[in-house]
Amino acid sequence: GDSVTQMEGPVTLSEEAFLTINCTYTATGYPSLFWYVQYPGEGLQLLLKATKADDKGSNKGFEATYRKETTSFHLEKGSVQVSDSAVYFCALSDSFGNEKLTFGTGTRLTIIP
Amino acid sequence: DTAVSQTPKYLVTQMGNDKSIKCEQNLGHDTMYWYKQDSKKFLKIMFSYNNKELIINETVPNRFSPKSPDKAHLNLHINSLELGDSAVYFCASSQVFGEGGNTGELFFGEGSRLTVL
Repeated sequence: GDSVTQMEGPVTLSEEAFLTINCTYTATGYPSLFWYVQYPGEGLQLLLKATKADDKGSNKGFEATYRKETTSFHLEKGSVQVSDSAVYFCALSDSFGNEKLTFGTGTRLTIIP
Repeated sequence: DTAVSQTPKYLVTQMGNDKSIKCEQNLGHDTMYWYKQDSKKFLKIMFSYNNKELIINETVPNRFSPKSPDKAHLNLHINSLELGDSAVYFCASSQVFGEGGNTGELFFGEGSRLTVL
């Protein structure tokens, strides 16, 4: 079945550091790929997405590129802020139109001033 | 206006009890979901309903019974609660079918933290 593997956390960085959170996936067909973010005490919210190979999703300074050849969708940000502290989830949606999202295990990110 | 709202936000109960969590969305979406997030933050889909019809039913014990009285509501009833049911339960919605649908974006509620003692 479909699966998503994320780098284990927690990840702690200083403000303005460069961030990479790795995500790889296994899926049949042509999934769409997502990054969701969960701030403390809140539900998940979509951060960015890409629906086909070589697409780049971007939002709030975060970027991720859909790499079919390496089955990856790594999340990057050039300069993180304290407000980016949250749990980040990589996810895929199968290509069968039922919007069943398969999530990775989540990576907790803490940014220290 | 809260797009996806769940009640209660916190629920503490004894083993063996029966409890319900309610969810409502005002986004006009046709599909709603229940996800379970365990203590390690792992998220797993439980159920999905499209226009009151069950379309996804993962391997979930029969003690869990979803009910969708209309497409804006999806409630979760749990019978004979067990310690392992302690988790945060998230409701979500999305527009899957029809114009503008199938974007893959789910809108989540804030979660209902269930603690079984």
